[in-house]
Amino acid sequence: AQSVAQPEDQVNVAEGNPLTVKCTYSVSGNPYLFWYVQYPNRGLQFLLKYITGDNLVKGSYGFEAEFNKSQTSFHLKKPSALVSDSALYFCAVRDGRAGANNLFFGTGTRLTVIP
Amino acid sequence: DGGITQSPKYLFRKEGQNVTLSCEQNLNHDAMYWYRQDPGQGLRLIYYSQIVNDFQKGDIAEGYSVSREKKESFPLTVTSAQKNPTAFYLCASTSDSRHNEQFFGPGTRLTVL
Repeated sequence: AQSVAQPEDQVNVAEGNPLTVKCTYSVSGNPYLFWYVQYPNRGLQFLLKYITGDNLVKGSYGFEAEFNKSQTSFHLKKPSALVSDSALYFCAVRDGRAGANNLFFGTGTRLTVIP
Repeated sequence: DGGITQSPKYLFRKEGQNVTLSCEQNLNHDAMYWYRQDPGQGLRLIYYSQIVNDFQKGDIAEGYSVSREKKESFPLTVTSAQKNPTAFYLCASTSDSRHNEQFFGPGTRLTVL
């Protein structure tokens, strides 16, 4: 069975400080991992993904994420937070085995960057 | 929101009525998806379609129906059998590769009066 956990409903960080949004996953095969961001009353926007290769993935708007197979984690990070980063962030996983085509989403983490 | 449009943005329904939410994409994507978003529950898959004239139930298909007569279009009907339809509905699409991310529409907020 596939699942994603985002253990923090809310993350607060001061502007200019580094931010981390946590994600852990469970799949039977190799994981394909994704991060999305959602602004109020909008659809989800893709930030970055890990399929294979380098464990550190760089994405849009200065975000990056590190794939850690032993800890089954894919935490989202940014070195210096902006107020405009305040939004709802979703982690998602797809099982890499053939026939497993659907994404499973976490429950989301609301990031607030304090000026 | 890429090349995916959803309409209407807001929709109000009386109990006992069926309503249809529109989703259109011009990305030439094969696969399309419908999700429901409720506060604190993330996104839950309602239906998906990987090819024209074929679709599959997701995790919460009861009370919903879909059609896929054209590659570009994947409308969702919320029927009167759906007991708690008030939610934010998101449509997504992707090309035919499990490596590829999904592109999302702007969403439709359905409220039952």
